[in-house]
Amino acid sequence: GNSVTQMEGPVTLSEEAFLTINCTYTATGYPSLFWYVQYPGEGLQLLLKATKADDKGSNKGFEATYRKETTSFHLEKGSVQVSDSAVYFCALSENSGTYKYIFGTGTRLKVLA
Amino acid sequence: SAVISQKPSRDICQRGTSLTIQCQVDSQVTMMFWYRQQPGQSLTLIATANQGSEATYESGFVIDKFPISRPNLTFSTLTVSNMSPEDSSIYLCSAHTPENTEAFFGQGTRLTVV
Repeated sequence: GNSVTQMEGPVTLSEEAFLTINCTYTATGYPSLFWYVQYPGEGLQLLLKATKADDKGSNKGFEATYRKETTSFHLEKGSVQVSDSAVYFCALSENSGTYKYIFGTGTRLKVLA
Repeated sequence: SAVISQKPSRDICQRGTSLTIQCQVDSQVTMMFWYRQQPGQSLTLIATANQGSEATYESGFVIDKFPISRPNLTFSTLTVSNMSPEDSSIYLCSAHTPENTEAFFGQGTRLTVV
């Protein structure tokens, strides 16, 4: 079945460091890919998305490119801030009309001042 | 987009009791879902809430334990029945509109069973 594998955390970085959180997926067909962020005590918020191969999603300095050849959707940010501290979830949606989501295990990011 | 409100935001319940969580969307949506997020873990889909018919449950989840209602296109409830400490989780409501490729999530209900 479909699945999402995400690098384990926690990831601890200093402010202004470069961030990469790896995400790979297994899917039949052509899923849509997402990164969601969960700040402490809050629900999930969409960070960025890509709906087809080679699409690049971007938002708030974060980027991820849908790589079909490597089945990856790695999240990157050039310079993290303390306010980026949160849990990041990679997810895929089966484009089969069911709109079910499969989530990765989540990666906790802690950014130190 | 859609704004989703969940009630209650948190609760502490005695084992053996039941809790009903409400999910209200500010616009009509085609699909609504319920997820569980156990402590320190990812989200697991419990079921798809179907408007006007029985919910579609994922493997490992049954209607007797998690009855779901969806009386219209903007509202759904999830009941966690006969609770045990293992049911302590965050329960999230999600909705999808045909105009968007992404799903929207409520703030979640943090349930602690003692």
